[in-house]
Amino acid sequence: DVKVTQSSRYLVKRTGEKVFLECVQDMDHENMFWYRQDPGLGLRLIYFSYDVKMKEKGDIPEGYSVSREKKERFSLILESASTNQTSMYLCASSLTSAALGEQFFGPGTRLTVL
Amino acid sequence: AQSVTQPDIHITVSEGASLELRCNYSYGATPYLFWYVQSPGQGLQLLLKYFSGDTLVQGIKGFEAEFKRSQSSFNLRKPSVHWSDAAEYFCAVGDNFNKFYFGSGTKLNVKP
Repeated sequence: DVKVTQSSRYLVKRTGEKVFLECVQDMDHENMFWYRQDPGLGLRLIYFSYDVKMKEKGDIPEGYSVSREKKERFSLILESASTNQTSMYLCASSLTSAALGEQFFGPGTRLTVL
Repeated sequence: AQSVTQPDIHITVSEGASLELRCNYSYGATPYLFWYVQSPGQGLQLLLKYFSGDTLVQGIKGFEAEFKRSQSSFNLRKPSVHWSDAAEYFCAVGDNFNKFYFGSGTKLNVKP
């Protein structure tokens, strides 16, 4: 079974803090993704990575950065957290393309920025 | 551009009734189609997927979906809904590269 774990289920931070969200997968997947999920908006892609040290912007990258130093780990960084970044953050992983299979999701991190 | 539309934001059905959740996609090539379910407080779990072949696909928990190329649709169905099916359902399309595109979701409420 593929397992995707996220470092925290709930996180509360203050405006201006630097925030790190960690994600680890154990199935040697090439691709990893960060989404944010907001009511009525579904999942919006922030960044994804298709290999170690490789990344591509998704639909809403502003205010975020990512790091992938090892294949199994993908970090999302909020350089200076703002209240409009309060959201549910979902990490996912997959093989090289959708033709090879689906995405597997972690349980999510609910981030509140005060 | 690729996109996925789920026209129903909320649906309420009675326990034991049949269910159909709608999904329409826009994608130029052969789509890879998925339905996911998200129970409250949980991540997304795959219900079923379509890559090619038989246009009616079976998934977990008694769900099925039918791919209709002419209508660009991939609707999810279940003949008899259980109270535990109350959740949010997401349709997604994957491309030939690395990306997946999700609909905005349909929240299912089940009446006893």
